[in-house]
Amino acid sequence: NAGVTQTPKFQVLKTGQSMTLQCAQDMNHNSMYWYRQDPGMGLRLIYYSASEGTTDKGEVPNGYNVSRLNKREFSLRLESAAPSQTSVYFCASRTRLAGENTQYFGPGTRLTVL
Amino acid sequence: AQSVTQPDIHITVSEGASLELRCNYSYGATPYLFWYVQSPGQGLQLLLKYFSGDTLVQGIKGFEAEFKRSQSSFNLRKPSVHWSDAAEYFCAGLNSGGSNYKLTFGKGTLLTVNP
Repeated sequence: NAGVTQTPKFQVLKTGQSMTLQCAQDMNHNSMYWYRQDPGMGLRLIYYSASEGTTDKGEVPNGYNVSRLNKREFSLRLESAAPSQTSVYFCASRTRLAGENTQYFGPGTRLTVL
Repeated sequence: AQSVTQPDIHITVSEGASLELRCNYSYGATPYLFWYVQSPGQGLQLLLKYFSGDTLVQGIKGFEAEFKRSQSSFNLRKPSVHWSDAAEYFCAGLNSGGSNYKLTFGKGTLLTVNP
């Protein structure tokens, strides 16, 4: 049981390049989330998927797209990377069982846009 | 608007000293509250959580937190800090009446432990 996994761990892009960050969970969780973490800003929600087949914008969605491929996988795409997207990206998942409201986080992807 | 505030950006304590990290929340109703820890270069690990019931919550690694409704606070404590506790700590809140289960994070408190 690996929990939440993310690939890649590190990535360097040039401005204008595109890439997809992958996230998968093996806990049979319904909901999945993408956050970015910047110094002094805490974690900010980019997009989330409450259940398979649905996605919604979070606090900072501009410049990103997401795909909930299936129950396990939730990817984040940068179509045209900008230096302002240099950040650490975390994926999280949460079950919808009654009373269980905890999000479990992956190890993160450290992205630098030059 | 819902918010979580961590007033201290950086705290330094000596090894063996006691620790208290502050967290204040602003929600319409009592939120679910969490403390996460992030070691350098790592992801976030859940320390403890409060949903309801006993206002003193025990977590992993010897941490505890107390929910105080009158002060809108959920402070994290540890009686004796170890060097391995050096990390960044995040308080987070979740609207208990909501349907989207979006966490709101504080900006974090960086803990330095002096030998």
